[in-house]
Amino acid sequence: EDKVVQSPLSLVVHEGDTVTLNCSYEVTNFRSLLWYKQEKKAPTFLFMLTSSGIEKKSGRLSSILDKKELFSILNITATQTGDSAVYLCAVRGSGNTGKLIFGQGTTLQVKP
Amino acid sequence: NAGVTQTPKFQVLKTGQSMTLQCAQDMNHEYMSWYRQDPGMGLRLIHYSVGAGITDQGEVPNGYNVSRSTTEDFPLRLLSAAPSQTSVYFCASSEQVFGELFFGEGSRLTVL
Repeated sequence: EDKVVQSPLSLVVHEGDTVTLNCSYEVTNFRSLLWYKQEKKAPTFLFMLTSSGIEKKSGRLSSILDKKELFSILNITATQTGDSAVYLCAVRGSGNTGKLIFGQGTTLQVKP
Repeated sequence: NAGVTQTPKFQVLKTGQSMTLQCAQDMNHEYMSWYRQDPGMGLRLIHYSVGAGITDQGEVPNGYNVSRSTTEDFPLRLLSAAPSQTSVYFCASSEQVFGELFFGEGSRLTVL
């Protein structure tokens, strides 16, 4: 059965800290891995990763995929209170449904 | 710059009632989908559509119907509401089946 596991489930840090969020997966015929940020309402897209070892970066956020070890990490440097959110990892496997298999999410709280 | 618009944002139903959650997107996306989000379960795919006139079942389709008469609209119908359908429902769209999904702000449904 396809599954996505995120760790830790929750995390509390102080502003300025660097955090690493983990996502491991078991999916038939992996196609892509996506990261989303959810602040109370709609998940907003962060990154889509398809190739191993190629870092994607946007400001203080970056992510990388390891297709051999079946995991991805999301790094946030110099955290700010506005980074407080639930971070969702999702994986797309084989088939034509476009279905994303989501992990449970990591709740990040950044304290001033 | 509306993106994906869902209505209503909140709804309370009694067991056995029916209702329709509306979803519209203005990005001319071919692919649209409905997910439900439950605590500890992540987001799960209910139904999806790869274009006008084409719909198919996702992971948890029982109790729900969809239709796609236009590119823009993808309503989700609850035929006879049950307490197990209490959830937050997200509509999402993407330019193509395997692209990044853009989510609406969600509809919180409570079935008593």
